[in-house]
Amino acid sequence: AQSVTQPDIHITVSEGASLELRCNYSYGATPYLFWYVQSPGQGLQLLLKYFSGDTLVQGIKGFEAEFKRSQSSFNLRKPSVHWSDAAEYFCAVGAGTSGTYKYIFGTGTRLKVLA
Amino acid sequence: GAVVSQHPSWVICKSGTSVKIECRSLDFQATTMFWYRQFPKQSLMLMATSNEGSKATYEQGVEKDKFLINHASLTLSTLTVTSAHPEDSSFYICSAVTAPRYEQYFGPGTRLTVT
Repeated sequence: AQSVTQPDIHITVSEGASLELRCNYSYGATPYLFWYVQSPGQGLQLLLKYFSGDTLVQGIKGFEAEFKRSQSSFNLRKPSVHWSDAAEYFCAVGAGTSGTYKYIFGTGTRLKVLA
Repeated sequence: GAVVSQHPSWVICKSGTSVKIECRSLDFQATTMFWYRQFPKQSLMLMATSNEGSKATYEQGVEKDKFLINHASLTLSTLTVTSAHPEDSSFYICSAVTAPRYEQYFGPGTRLTVT
């Protein structure tokens, strides 16, 4: 069955430190992969996406992610975290064909940033 | 580009009444729209998929008679929560896709509180 796992429910980092949020997926074909960020009470903002090509993807706000097919992973990274990065982060896999296409979301990782 | 709006952003209704939430794609035609429900500090749960001009496809466990979805045009989908109860209180988010792209564009969400 298709699934997305975000192993870390909560992560706390100090401002200026590096960040890596993990995402593992289970999907039979080449997936479309996404990272979204959600601030409290807000909708989802797309950080970056992977459809094909270069496996290192650059996104907004200084984020990047690397698709590793052998590990079924799509981890999100940022070299230096800012206090404003504190939010909930969701990894998602796009699955299915054009008629049945849907997203499968991970459970999310809540990021706390210490000043 | 690819902006999705939701109206209202916040609604309070009395138990037993119905409430309608609108989802609009402002600058593109959405072949498919999705409705999600999100409980506090949890991930998004897909409720249903709607294609313009056809009946919505509901996920397992979602009451189709309670959550009525209409996708009357390529830019508008509505979710009506009928005979609302306090347990229906939640954050409802819609998204839209335009073929053949496989990326969902999310609305800002609607917070429903049933008293």
